[in-house]
Amino acid sequence: NAGVTQTPKFQVLKTGQSMTLQCAQDMNHEYMSWYRQDPGMGLRLIHYSVGAGITDQGEVPNGYNVSRSTTEDFPLRLLSAAPSQTSVYFCASSYSRGRTYEQYFGPGTRLTVT
Amino acid sequence: DAKTTQPNSMESNEEEPVHLPCNHSTISGTDYIHWYRQLPSQGPEYVIHGLTSNVNNRMASLAIAEDRKSSTLILHRATLRDAAVYYCASGGGADGLTFGKGTHLIIQP
Repeated sequence: NAGVTQTPKFQVLKTGQSMTLQCAQDMNHEYMSWYRQDPGMGLRLIHYSVGAGITDQGEVPNGYNVSRSTTEDFPLRLLSAAPSQTSVYFCASSYSRGRTYEQYFGPGTRLTVT
Repeated sequence: DAKTTQPNSMESNEEEPVHLPCNHSTISGTDYIHWYRQLPSQGPEYVIHGLTSNVNNRMASLAIAEDRKSSTLILHRATLRDAAVYYCASGGGADGLTFGKGTHLIIQP
């Protein structure tokens, strides 16, 4: 049982480049989400999905897009990378909308934008 | 949105109990209180969660104030492996969890 997997582990981008951070879970969880973690800021929600075909914005969605075509996968796309998007990105999944069940986090992707 | 605040750091001795506080000043009646911990270079790991009653599991206990404006994570007997950043969070509805900024727990041998 792999849980939540994220690729790549590390990435360096130049300003203006685009890329997709991959996230997959093998627990048949309905709910998936993306957080970013910055020093002194804790974790902030970027986007979330309550099921295949359904996504919505979190606290800090600007500059990011998501889609959920399958239950297992929830990729995060950076359309035009900016230095402010330098951060560690975590994907998480949960049995439901997270109200009563714990969230399982992936190992993270450390992104640097120069 | 729930506003969640925690002390930046706490220090404790090995084999002693640790009480980690969290304030949930704007928590709503249906928001759950969660706690996670994070080791260096790893993703957050679930510790415990609850709604109104105190909760116990193999890792820790969670004490929730009657008005739910605060909670305390209790590690009954700290070990060196418990040194981590501990996050409290609330919410968990369709719009996810709102995390505090975390408490860095230092355990002295």
